[in-house]
Amino acid sequence: QQQVKQSPQSLIVQKGGISIINCAYENTAFDYFPWYQQFPGKGPALLIAIRPDVSEKKEGRFTISFNKSAKQFSLHIMDSQPGDSATYFCAASMRTAGETSGSRLTFGEGTQLTVNP
Amino acid sequence: EAQVTQNPRYLITVTGKKLTVTCSQNMNHEYMSWYRQDPGLGLRQIYYSMNVEVTDKGDVPEGYKVSRKEKRNFPLILESPSPNQTSLYFCASSWRRNTGELFFGEGSRLTVL
Repeated sequence: QQQVKQSPQSLIVQKGGISIINCAYENTAFDYFPWYQQFPGKGPALLIAIRPDVSEKKEGRFTISFNKSAKQFSLHIMDSQPGDSATYFCAASMRTAGETSGSRLTFGEGTQLTVNP
Repeated sequence: EAQVTQNPRYLITVTGKKLTVTCSQNMNHEYMSWYRQDPGLGLRQIYYSMNVEVTDKGDVPEGYKVSRKEKRNFPLILESPSPNQTSLYFCASSWRRNTGELFFGEGSRLTVL
């Protein structure tokens, strides 16, 4: 059972446009929601993360919007650039016996973003 | 340089031939984990380890074994590989009590014929 559902599977955006990737989760015990970015031939790397006590977090051109009541969160990439072309994964986790939230990350299916020049 | 190192990066093998994918991290992380990445399925956790000699199953552990005898190493063992284990495998590590950031290796692409 996929606990984190991600859409779309693929996304093509023109340079300068806004890229939006959506995720929905089921488990209300999740308390940490990161986004990972993966370039071809590389492992995923943490891009930005949010906890449910805030509704939005912005880092440069990347913004996470979080809707706790709807159990949804999304990644917005403003002024998208060809260098942003990558696969993006949303994820969610919860603390287990007081341990780090990173220990049981559940990932979405991934979105392959292509930004055309 | 802080890194997670996996070997081999690419491997083609045949059904039933035991293989080991090694993973080593130099960041003194307590936590290590293995994921497999398949198209349309994202990253699925195979096994994880909270510390030396402490391991537990993830979401898709069938057909895999792990061991954690040293803090820096976390090998993934396929005792009798089958074609459905053809996948891209990632090792990851982090501090035990942290913000949740996982550091990933560059991946090992395994093909089982």
